[in-house]
Amino acid sequence: DAGVIQSPRHEVTEMGQEVTLRCKPISGHDYLFWYRQTMMRGLELLIYFNNNVPIDDSGMPEDRFSAKMPNASFSTLKIQPSEPRDSAVYFCASSDRDRNTEAFFGQGTRLTVV
Amino acid sequence: AQKVTQAQTEISVVEKEDVTLDCVYETRDTTYYLFWYKQPPSGELVFLIRRNSFDEQNEISGRYSWNFQKSTSSFNFTITASQVVDSAVYFCALSNDYKLSFGAGTTVTVRA
Repeated sequence: DAGVIQSPRHEVTEMGQEVTLRCKPISGHDYLFWYRQTMMRGLELLIYFNNNVPIDDSGMPEDRFSAKMPNASFSTLKIQPSEPRDSAVYFCASSDRDRNTEAFFGQGTRLTVV
Repeated sequence: AQKVTQAQTEISVVEKEDVTLDCVYETRDTTYYLFWYKQPPSGELVFLIRRNSFDEQNEISGRYSWNFQKSTSSFNFTITASQVVDSAVYFCALSNDYKLSFGAGTTVTVRA
């Protein structure tokens, strides 16, 4: 298995632009997570899905952030409009239905908003 | 509410020294899971170990070992005979409902 695949790996955009981050989870995994990593706040959960349905989006910072999972093999995290404080590394992770299993992380997308 | 505290921000050792990373957690749940992840300079997050709250057996995997003590809410991680390749940020995490709560991480630097 190729693992969790995220694209792009790096994104530089201007303030006010729309940014879309993409994630392909591991095949067969029921859960998908979006995390954000910053120096100030560390690793924090933004939202997670179970069987393509958003379960908890309490970590989504503002209405500018939205996430979708149209099918079991694809998810997007969109920021519109982007702001410099959104600059961070965004990780996608997936796991299967057994609570005893770990979450497998993608390599992350480093977002820079200038 | 869940909380994970990694009091050590940075640790620097010389190769072949042992290094122990502390992790203290808080949770009101009786069933929970503890994890350690490694983040090398390349940036990815690599799973190292998972423990459930009912299994207090210590575990050893090569040069890595983990000590889980429920009485003190601690889940410490030791690297024996450290190597330069062990240089990374190590995160302790807690989960009880699929969501991982991470500690702030400990940066380990192993000097040759």
